[in-house]
Amino acid sequence: KAGVTQTPRYLIKTRGQQVTLSCSPISGHRSVSWYQQTPGQGLQFLFEYFSETQRNKGNFPGRFSGRQFSNSRSEMNVSTLELGDSALYLCASSYTGLAGLSDTQYFGPGTRLTVL
Amino acid sequence: AQSVTQPDIHITVSEGASLELRCNYSYGATPYLFWYVQSPGQGLQLLLKYFSGDTLVQGIKGFEAEFKRSQSSFNLRKPSVHWSDAAEYFCAVGAIEKSSGDKLTFGTGTRLAVRP
Repeated sequence: KAGVTQTPRYLIKTRGQQVTLSCSPISGHRSVSWYQQTPGQGLQFLFEYFSETQRNKGNFPGRFSGRQFSNSRSEMNVSTLELGDSALYLCASSYTGLAGLSDTQYFGPGTRLTVL
Repeated sequence: AQSVTQPDIHITVSEGASLELRCNYSYGATPYLFWYVQSPGQGLQLLLKYFSGDTLVQGIKGFEAEFKRSQSSFNLRKPSVHWSDAAEYFCAVGAIEKSSGDKLTFGTGTRLAVRP
């Protein structure tokens, strides 16, 4: 079974631009979560989608948004990029998105975003 | 709110030596605990997980972890380290609010170096 795939793997943008990152979950998985990883803040939860609905959201400004399509693929968008948005953005998928049901998140390789 | 503490930022061990990485969590109920490993430039790979039952959990690559409720700990161990184990290790606790979907809270990570 193919793993979680993320595109693109690397991206360079300038301040003020916007960016869209894509995540394709493992086949059959309906939950997709996004995380931001930076040297200073570590791994931080952005949001989680299930069946095209956002169920959970972390403490990020409204410039960070996401969506999920009917095939469970997900995109996240960052508008008006700032230097501090430079990070590795990780996507994870699971069947139900509910750890209480003994589910597990599997991570993709990430998209490395650099904002100049 | 849940939290995870990994008190050791860097650890260096000799190849063939034993390893223990510490993880302490704070959570109001029974936690769901995970250890992930990240090699440079890569995403996160699940090593093992604890949901319930036996408090000693076996994972991949010869790793194991023991859940100790009285100490709020979930330390990762390996009896004999290989050079290929050099990576960054993350402990995480999963939310169990069934209505809100997955949200992993990660520790700050422990970077493991292996001396030949």
